[in-house]
Amino acid sequence: KQEVTQIPAALSVPEGENLVLNCSFTDSAIYNLQWFRQDPGKGLTSLLLIQSSQREQTSGRLNASLDKSSGRSTLYIAASQPGDSATYLCAVGGLPGGTSYGKLTFGQGTILTVHP
Amino acid sequence: DAGITQSPRYKITETGRQVTLMCHQTWSHSYMFWYRQDLGHGLRLIYYSAAADITDKGEVPDGYVVSRSKTENFPLTLESATRSQTSVYFCASRREEEQYFGPGTRLTVT
Repeated sequence: KQEVTQIPAALSVPEGENLVLNCSFTDSAIYNLQWFRQDPGKGLTSLLLIQSSQREQTSGRLNASLDKSSGRSTLYIAASQPGDSATYLCAVGGLPGGTSYGKLTFGQGTILTVHP
Repeated sequence: DAGITQSPRYKITETGRQVTLMCHQTWSHSYMFWYRQDLGHGLRLIYYSAAADITDKGEVPDGYVVSRSKTENFPLTLESATRSQTSVYFCASRREEEQYFGPGTRLTVT
């Protein structure tokens, strides 16, 4: 059974700092990995989707990398801002033809606080 | 472009009552999903649907029923609510491998 772990569980940084959030998964046979942001009391917003054949994806100040063989992904946030404060979740998708295809397995998230 | 809407946003019900949570998408995505989010457990898949009239169980389906007669709607019914079903419920749809989530329904079972 796929298990997804995110470290650290919580992170507090001053504004302007560059930071890295970590995600690890136990089964490297994944189809893709998706990073989400969740604001308090809100739904999830998709940030980046990395296919298993890709090494990284970038969107603005966000860069996500994927090392499938080692079962790891990182989300790099450059020049953090107070507006980046939220919970960040990673999720992995199963391979086509498998029982997990189309479904996501989530980590428990990293709560990020960026203080002015 | 409303995306995914869920109703009600908040619901309080009593143990043993039947409750239906509604999910509607304005796109025509084939896949739709229901998750519950609980402290200590994260997000867990309850049921999903690959298309109208095609549904399948996820990780925690017991006590829940789904239907999908139209592509745009995917209601979730708790047949006889229990306190352990107190949670935040999220509906999602999928387009080209990326999942999009609704705002959630906070359900309290007393």
